[in-house]
Amino acid sequence: DIQMTQSPSSLSASVGDRVTITCRASQSISRHLNWYQQTPGKAPRLLIYGASNLHPGVPSRFSGSGSGTDFTLTISRLRPEDFATYFCQQTYTPLALTFGGGTRVDIK
Amino acid sequence: QVQLVQSGAEVKKPGASVKVACKASGYTFITYYMHWVRQAPGQGLEWMGLINPSGGSTTYAQKFQGRVSLTRDTSTSTVYMELRSLRSEDTAIYFCARTDYYESSGPASDFWGQGTLVTVSS
Repeated sequence: DIQMTQSPSSLSASVGDRVTITCRASQSISRHLNWYQQTPGKAPRLLIYGASNLHPGVPSRFSGSGSGTDFTLTISRLRPEDFATYFCQQTYTPLALTFGGGTRVDIK
Repeated sequence: QVQLVQSGAEVKKPGASVKVACKASGYTFITYYMHWVRQAPGQGLEWMGLINPSGGSTTYAQKFQGRVSLTRDTSTSTVYMELRSLRSEDTAIYFCARTDYYESSGPASDFWGQGTLVTVSS
């Protein structure tokens, strides 16, 4: 299976900060990469698919980039509702999907 | 509006089986694959498998092969996940997720059930 490694595992930030989360794949996955947001007690929410495509309804402060093995999720200006855990997911092997370990974004 | 409503929490003993239901509404049931993902307490997400509601074909993650079964009932737009030979490590929240498919980048789960907590304890 393709391994996905996220960094950092957690970070502290303030409202208004720019935040960047990194996801690295154990082999090239082209642009087959999704990002999800999960708040405590809730199901994950799709933010970005195909590395950089914003899912409908997701605010434009979220953006994704990257291809091959290295990807980033950026939140341009952190809002209170963005404090959550973020997961990347590779879909290069669509019958053996794998997630990163998650990045928790806390209030500083 | 699209909704996935899952069955309620379960408590099972080691060695038992559990069957979780996921009832879909607000879209054409057979048009989208359904994936299952689980999350152990305080842990990350783990993909378990998928079912094509149209024909019923399934694919399971290697880790769960032989222990999990996904089935569907098109008359009620419901997908079921059965996990057998439960052990304490199976204690987790189990999610169903409607999954769309993009030509250029593959599957993406755009709607999720609320999750079902399965607790395995003697």
